[in-house]
Amino acid sequence: GQQLNQSPQSMFIQEGEDVSMNCTSSSIFNTWLWYKQDPGEGPVLLIALYKAGELTSNGRLTAQFGTTRKDSFLNISASIPSDVGIYFCAGHGYGQNFVFGPGTRLSVLP
Amino acid sequence: DGGITQSPKYLFRKEGQNVTLSCEQNLNHDAMYWYRQDPGQGLRLIYYSQIVNDFQKGDIAEGYSVSREKKESFPLTVTSAQKNPTAFYLCASSIGRGQASGYTFGSGTRLTVV
Repeated sequence: GQQLNQSPQSMFIQEGEDVSMNCTSSSIFNTWLWYKQDPGEGPVLLIALYKAGELTSNGRLTAQFGTTRKDSFLNISASIPSDVGIYFCAGHGYGQNFVFGPGTRLSVLP
Repeated sequence: DGGITQSPKYLFRKEGQNVTLSCEQNLNHDAMYWYRQDPGQGLRLIYYSQIVNDFQKGDIAEGYSVSREKKESFPLTVTSAQKNPTAFYLCASSIGRGQASGYTFGSGTRLTVV
């Protein structure tokens, strides 16, 4: 089946730093989603992207739908301790189920 | 408030037993899904259902069974045929299959074989 790759797999940053992560696919997608999962909980939707080149913000989070439609990027500015968790990307083509990436695990050091 | 409720939060199973995980939603969503999450891995689709009385196998359906008798409910049974059932199980729903608005997830059930 389709697979998504996320990079990096994990990252340790200092509080206040900016974070960048990305997601790539071997297939073209029509929609990209970014989720955050806190330990022991279900993922929560952060940002949804529907058009190639689209740039969307949600507070300190900014995500972009890559122009090739095979990738997406998530940036977090001025990280805080509650940003800790696993960030998943998900994409789908028309009429298909969403495919999820393996996640980027973020740790924030005080 | 609308949402998805999974129960129990933690479940322990003896080898050879079947166990059923509950998933209920009051979002009036048509489609529901079950995912399995293992450490360091993404979400793998077990089963999904687009409408009542219909469901389809996902990527890792072997050893699992589901039913969809009501729109609100999509229980997952982990059978004794599932050789490595210890994992975190997530239920999700969406307005329709592949809806661009994405999925709403429950808070998960952690199943451990003892």
